[in-house]
Amino acid sequence: AQSVTQLDSHVSVSEGTPVLLRCNYSSSYSPSLFWYVQHPNKGLQLLLKYTSAATLVKGINGFEAEFKKSETSFHLTKPSAHMSDAAEYFCVVRPMNTGFQKLVFGTGTRLLVSP
Amino acid sequence: ETGVTQSPTHLIKTRGQQVTLRCSSQSGHNTVSWYQQALGQGPQFIFQYYREEENGRGNFPPRFSGLQFPNYSSELNVNALELDDSALYLCASSPSRNYEQYFGPGTRLTVT
Repeated sequence: AQSVTQLDSHVSVSEGTPVLLRCNYSSSYSPSLFWYVQHPNKGLQLLLKYTSAATLVKGINGFEAEFKKSETSFHLTKPSAHMSDAAEYFCVVRPMNTGFQKLVFGTGTRLLVSP
Repeated sequence: ETGVTQSPTHLIKTRGQQVTLRCSSQSGHNTVSWYQQALGQGPQFIFQYYREEENGRGNFPPRFSGLQFPNYSSELNVNALELDDSALYLCASSPSRNYEQYFGPGTRLTVT
């Protein structure tokens, strides 16, 4: 079964410092991978997606992620955190062996940004 | 362009009751998926509807059922509510079965 593991439940950074949210995936197939963000009392917003094109994927709000097959990782980074980045982040895999789009979510990483 | 909307935003029910949650998909989208997000957890896939038929299902019992209407809006019905059904229920629509999903804000269900 395809799954993702988010290695940190909480990450704390100071405003202006880099952000690193870690995600490892497990997949027997070439996976489609995503990062979603969830702000309090709001729905999930897609940050970026990897679908077997370029391994370095750029998303919205300055976020990017690198697909590393040898390490089965898809870590999310941002050079400089902003207060508005404080939210819950989910790493997501879409199994490719089904006839429908079922997204499998990690358990989430809460990003805390201090002034 | 209107995004995905869900109603109601909050709901309180008693154990054993039945509940219906509603979702209006984004314009032009014919596929709707439902997810359950328990507190502190990632969303779990319940099922997907494509052109008014159930197209795939996660590991949820039959008391979780759904409908999709000709305008592609959708309902999630849960019978015989249990305390563990308390969660945020998210609806997502997409242009077709294997395309990117766009999520609504969710319905917060509390079962007492």
